[in-house]
Amino acid sequence: EPEVTQTPSHQVTQMGQEVILRCVPISNHLYFYWYRQILGQKVEFLVSFYNNEISEKSEIFDDQFSVERPDGSNFTLKIRSTKLEDSAMYFCASTGATLEQFFGPGTRLTVL
Amino acid sequence: AQSVTQLDSQVPVFEEAPVELRCNYSSSVSVYLFWYVQYPNQGLQLLLKYLSGSTLVKGINGFEAEFNKSQTSFHLRKPSVHISDTAEYFCAVRTGGSYIPTFGRGTSLIVHP
Repeated sequence: EPEVTQTPSHQVTQMGQEVILRCVPISNHLYFYWYRQILGQKVEFLVSFYNNEISEKSEIFDDQFSVERPDGSNFTLKIRSTKLEDSAMYFCASTGATLEQFFGPGTRLTVL
Repeated sequence: AQSVTQLDSQVPVFEEAPVELRCNYSSSVSVYLFWYVQYPNQGLQLLLKYLSGSTLVKGINGFEAEFNKSQTSFHLRKPSVHISDTAEYFCAVRTGGSYIPTFGRGTSLIVHP
C-alpha cells in the first residue's frame, strides 16, 4: 500500500540553525500539506501546496518557513532560523482524488 | 472559523469495556468529519470518515461513529476495547469549501488490563 514517508525521523538542531524536513508524498497525489504538533497539544495546520505553489497557509507559517517541491517526488519544509518554540512533531500529508489525507510518520524536531 | 472540541483529554478504561470518545464541532452548512488515531511514535492514521449518507459510520479496528447534525457531534465508539487500542485519538472537521481539516486537541485513550 502506498504511503507518505518522512526523513529524518528525529532532527536535533541548535537555535538559529536552518533545518530542512523532507517528505515523499504518495506518487499520484496532487495536494501536499505540513502540520505540526507541539508536545501535548493539538495538530496544527501550517501550509498546503498545490500546482507548485502555496494554496493556503496559517498564521504560524511566517517568513521563517518555506516549502518547496524540488523534484517530482520530494516535498520539503525549511525553517530558516530555528527557535526553541519550533520544537515539535512535523507531519507531512498528501491528498489524492478521494480528498482523504494520508499522513507520514512525522519528524520530531528538537531545538536546543 | 471552524472549531472542534474534544471534551475529554484522557479516557481510562479497562480492557473489553465499551468506550465513547466525544467530539463536537461548530456548526456549518456542510461538514466532513474524520477520526484519526495516533499510536505512540507514529503518524496519524484515518480510522473513519463521514462524507455523506448514513450517519452511522464504521471504521477500522471495530470503531464506529455517529454523525448527529442537531447536536453537532461525531462521537467515536467501540463496544469492547483492547490493550492495543491505547493511543491518541483526534477528531477533525473539514467544511465543504476547504481541503484543510481543523483538528481537535485529541483524547488519550488508555486501556488497562
